[in-house]
Amino acid sequence: DVKVTQSSRYLVKRTGEKVFLECVQDMDHENMFWYRQDPGLGLRLIYFSYDVKMKEKGDIPEGYSVSREKKERFSLILESASTNQTSMYLCASGRGGVQETQYFGPGTRLLVL
Amino acid sequence: AQSVSQHNHHVILSEAASLELGCNYSYGGTVNLFWYVQYPGQHLQLLLKYFSGDPLVKGIKGFEAEFIKSKFSFNLRKPSVQWSDTAEYFCAVNAVNAGNMLTFGGGTRLMVKP
Repeated sequence: DVKVTQSSRYLVKRTGEKVFLECVQDMDHENMFWYRQDPGLGLRLIYFSYDVKMKEKGDIPEGYSVSREKKERFSLILESASTNQTSMYLCASGRGGVQETQYFGPGTRLLVL
Repeated sequence: AQSVSQHNHHVILSEAASLELGCNYSYGGTVNLFWYVQYPGQHLQLLLKYFSGDPLVKGIKGFEAEFIKSKFSFNLRKPSVQWSDTAEYFCAVNAVNAGNMLTFGGGTRLMVKP
């Protein structure tokens, strides 16, 4: 079974704080993804990575950065958290290729006050 | 850019009723199609997927979906729902040859009354 874990289930931060969300996968997957999930909007892709130290912007990268120093770990960074970044953040991984299936972690619910 | 539409945001059914959730996408090329489910308090799980071949795809828990290319649709069906099917359902599309980025629909929240 693919396992994708996220460092926190719930986080409360203040406006302006730097926030780190960590994601680890145990299936040696090439690709890793960060999404945010908001009611009525589904999941929107923030960033993804197809290899160590490689990253690509998704649909809504503004206000976020990412880091992938090791294959199994993909971090999402909010340099200066704002209230409009209050959301559920989901990490996913996939083995790559044309017929890729993405597997999701449990999510981190972030509240920015 | 491609888009995915799920027409029903909230659906309420009684147990044993039949279910059909609509999903339409905008990309004109070859696509991979997915339905994911998120049960209350749980993470997003794959329900079924279509890559190629038979357009009628069977997934877990008695769900199926039919890919109709001419209608750009991938509707999810179940002949008889159970209370345990209460969840949020997401359709997702990956445009082949345009990267591995999934585009998700807005989700449909299903409540099944016992």
